[in-house]
Amino acid sequence: TQLLEQSPQFLSIQEGENLTVYCNSSSVFSSLQWYRQEPGEGPVLLVTVVTGGEVKKLKRLTFQFGDARKDSSLHITAAQPGDTGLYLCAGGVKTSYDKVIFGPGTSLSVIP
Amino acid sequence: DTGVSQDPRHKITKRGQNVTFRCDPISEHNRLYWYRQTLGQGPEFLTYFQNEAQLEKSRLLSDRFSAERPKGSFSTLEIQRTEQGDSAMYLCASSLGGRGYEQYFGPGTRLTVT
Repeated sequence: TQLLEQSPQFLSIQEGENLTVYCNSSSVFSSLQWYRQEPGEGPVLLVTVVTGGEVKKLKRLTFQFGDARKDSSLHITAAQPGDTGLYLCAGGVKTSYDKVIFGPGTSLSVIP
Repeated sequence: DTGVSQDPRHKITKRGQNVTFRCDPISEHNRLYWYRQTLGQGPEFLTYFQNEAQLEKSRLLSDRFSAERPKGSFSTLEIQRTEQGDSAMYLCASSLGGRGYEQYFGPGTRLTVT
């Protein structure tokens, strides 16, 4: 069974601080997605990484896929209150269809 | 492109009643997924459609659950004889063949079984 773990589970920081959240597995994934979810809403896709070692930047967010494609990190620079939400990583699994396994998420709160 | 829509957004029902949820995917997406999410957890896969064919069902999908996508467009998820354990957020997502891992989610239907 392929599982994704995320750490930390909860994170509360002051506006302007930097932070990193992690997504780890013992399994290899063909791709890794990061989503942000706000309370009462569905997840919103932020980025997809597919190549081991790949780094993608989205404004103040930097995403990295581990060399072995088993882990990923999300770094936020100068966090803002609008960054508050649940950050979910999701791993793509090669099956008969494009199966995606979700981690439990990191709940981020950025305090003004 | 209006995104994925779901209806209703909230449903409160009594234990034992049947409920049906609807999902309208992004129009050109041929793949549709249903997930269930409980508090503090990530979405858990329930079932997958490619066009009108239901190709995969999770073991989480008991006999009380049924899903359809009759014309390869919108989909419905029905829960019969609801139980309190069915209380959760039900999420629908769609994707395009070839980029199936990139799934676009609707706002979800929050089900509360009393």
